[in-house]
Amino acid sequence: GAVVSQHPSRVICKSGTSVKIECRSLDFQATTMFWYRQFPKQSLMLMATSNEGSKATYEQGVEKDKFLINHASLTLSTLTVTSAHPEDSSFYICSWGPPRQETQYFGPGTRLLVL
Amino acid sequence: LAKTTQPISMDSYEGQEVNITCSHNNIATNDYITWYQQFPSQGPRFIIQGYKTKVTNEVASLFIPADRKSSTLSLPRVSLSDTAVYYCLVGDQSGNTPLVFGKGTRLSVIA
Repeated sequence: GAVVSQHPSRVICKSGTSVKIECRSLDFQATTMFWYRQFPKQSLMLMATSNEGSKATYEQGVEKDKFLINHASLTLSTLTVTSAHPEDSSFYICSWGPPRQETQYFGPGTRLLVL
Repeated sequence: LAKTTQPISMDSYEGQEVNITCSHNNIATNDYITWYQQFPSQGPRFIIQGYKTKVTNEVASLFIPADRKSSTLSLPRVSLSDTAVYYCLVGDQSGNTPLVFGKGTRLSVIA
């Protein structure tokens, strides 16, 4: 299967600081990718859909000014959590949807802990 | 996107066959059925996908009746390492469509 990487795998930060999470597709290119977050014992929740070269589309309840998405290329996207607060502590997962594929490929996730 | 309903949890002994059924009464004509597996602190991993009848790969089998309103994921001879959450999703599953995850089924395999 296709390989997706995320960096960092885990991060601890102080409240009020910003954290950047990178998501890369290593062996394929795709225009569209997605960011999800997952709280403990819960399912994945879609945060935003991002197309390379366009502004991301955010789900209801997800603040676009707080969760900045930069979809720089067909293989790289970043999610920046600005002015992080403890309630932003979660597991952030990206996925890519290669064209002509009937599945999506997920990254390994990034565990964010805001103190 | 169609909603899915799965059992919240299941227990099984090692070596047994496990069948997890998913209901998707509102599945659309163009929808596929896909199952993902997720271990703690990892991203979901694709297991199997089908449209109708039966699909088998090296990991699992997927049974889909003619009306496609349900599907069953079959895991042969489970081991402790199969303990995970299993998600059933339906949708056109194109690269441009986000996946809507339900609550999934937490499978616990016991020695």
